[in-house]
Amino acid sequence: GENVEQHPSTLSVQEGDSAVIKCTYSDSASNYFPWYKQELGKRPQLIIDIRSNVGEKKDQRIAVTLNKTAKHFSLHITETQPEDSAVYFCAASFANAGKSTFGDGTTLTVKP
Amino acid sequence: GAVVSQHPSRVICKSGTSVKIECRSLDFQATTMFWYRQFPKQSLMLMATSNEGSKATYEQGVEKDKFLINHASLTLSTLTVTSAHPEDSSFYICSASNRGRVENIQYFGAGTRLSVL
Repeated sequence: GENVEQHPSTLSVQEGDSAVIKCTYSDSASNYFPWYKQELGKRPQLIIDIRSNVGEKKDQRIAVTLNKTAKHFSLHITETQPEDSAVYFCAASFANAGKSTFGDGTTLTVKP
Repeated sequence: GAVVSQHPSRVICKSGTSVKIECRSLDFQATTMFWYRQFPKQSLMLMATSNEGSKATYEQGVEKDKFLINHASLTLSTLTVTSAHPEDSSFYICSASNRGRVENIQYFGAGTRLSVL
């Protein structure tokens, strides 16, 4: 089955700096890669996603890049703000196939 | 956007009792619902995948007789923790996928914190 590895497990940055979280996956059939943000005590929420036919996607301060050959994808957050502090999960799945495999999560702390 | 409602948000029960958790998709039909368990500061551990009208598919190591899943309609799935014990105490989260959508986006419920005394 699919295996997703996520790094780093914790990340601390100064407000205004950029943050990068990386994930690798094992199943070359995976073609859909969402990122979820989970604030303390709350539900995970989708923040951005990318399909395998696209190499990069951007939404304001958040961007995701995908290297299908190397089987890795990354989340980039620019101009970080304290409210970006949360746990971020990457996931990989084959669209329409059902379940996603999640990474172990990255706890991001943005210091004011 | 798609909304998933999960109830109860918190439950405290005595050891040996059964607890039922409901997961509803409020404004869309869910082809599939997923049940996760999350330990403090850890990732989402998939317990089972629930498809409407069919038996749930359990992940390796998850006792299907312990965690009963019913998916009676396209908008409702339930997880029953039978004969709960303190080691079952955890945060349980459901999610649902929107039928007809190409992307495998999962919409999560708010979670249920179960404490077994």
